[in-house]
Amino acid sequence: KAGVTQTPRYLIKTRGQQVTLSCSPISGHRSVSWYQQTPGQGLQFLFEYFSETQRNKGNFPGRFSGRQFSNSRSEMNVSTLELGDSALYLCASSLRGAGTGELFFGEGSRLTVL
Amino acid sequence: AQRVTQPEKLLSVFKGAPVELKCNYSYSGSPELFWYVQYSRQRLQLLLRHISRESIKGFTADLNKGETSFHLKKPFAQEEDSAMYYCALKETGNQFYFGTGTSLTVIP
Repeated sequence: KAGVTQTPRYLIKTRGQQVTLSCSPISGHRSVSWYQQTPGQGLQFLFEYFSETQRNKGNFPGRFSGRQFSNSRSEMNVSTLELGDSALYLCASSLRGAGTGELFFGEGSRLTVL
Repeated sequence: AQRVTQPEKLLSVFKGAPVELKCNYSYSGSPELFWYVQYSRQRLQLLLRHISRESIKGFTADLNKGETSFHLKKPFAQEEDSAMYYCALKETGNQFYFGTGTSLTVIP
């Protein structure tokens, strides 16, 4: 079974630009979550999508948005990039429901904002 | 408010010594707690979950609701245990709160 795939793996942007990151979940997983990982803050929850609907949202500004397609693939977008957005963005897929809870992570997309 | 606290950023132990990675949580309901691990150059992956009450790679973790803790323990550390460990709390839905992680180094 193929794991969670994230593209691109690395990217460099400048302040004010926007970026779109992509995540393909494990086949059969309909829940996709996004996390921002930084050295000081650890992993912080951005949002979760299930069945093309955003189910939960973390405490991030509206510049961070996402969507999910009918095949469960997800994208996240960050507009008007700031230096502080430099981070590793992790996508995780899972089976949603009671008794599950295991997240399967991708390798991440490392964003550098100059 | 920080829901999961891992007080130790770095922890070093000698091979064969016991190891305990601390995790405290803040949650009003019945918590679902997990330990995730990231070995060098690998993806973050689940180590164990409290609901399973299992031992994985010799590690165990007991949920102590009175002390709101979920410490990870292993009686005899091995070099291959060197990794980054994250404690995580799952809220309703699929939203996880992760601690800031503890980097464990096992000294040969």
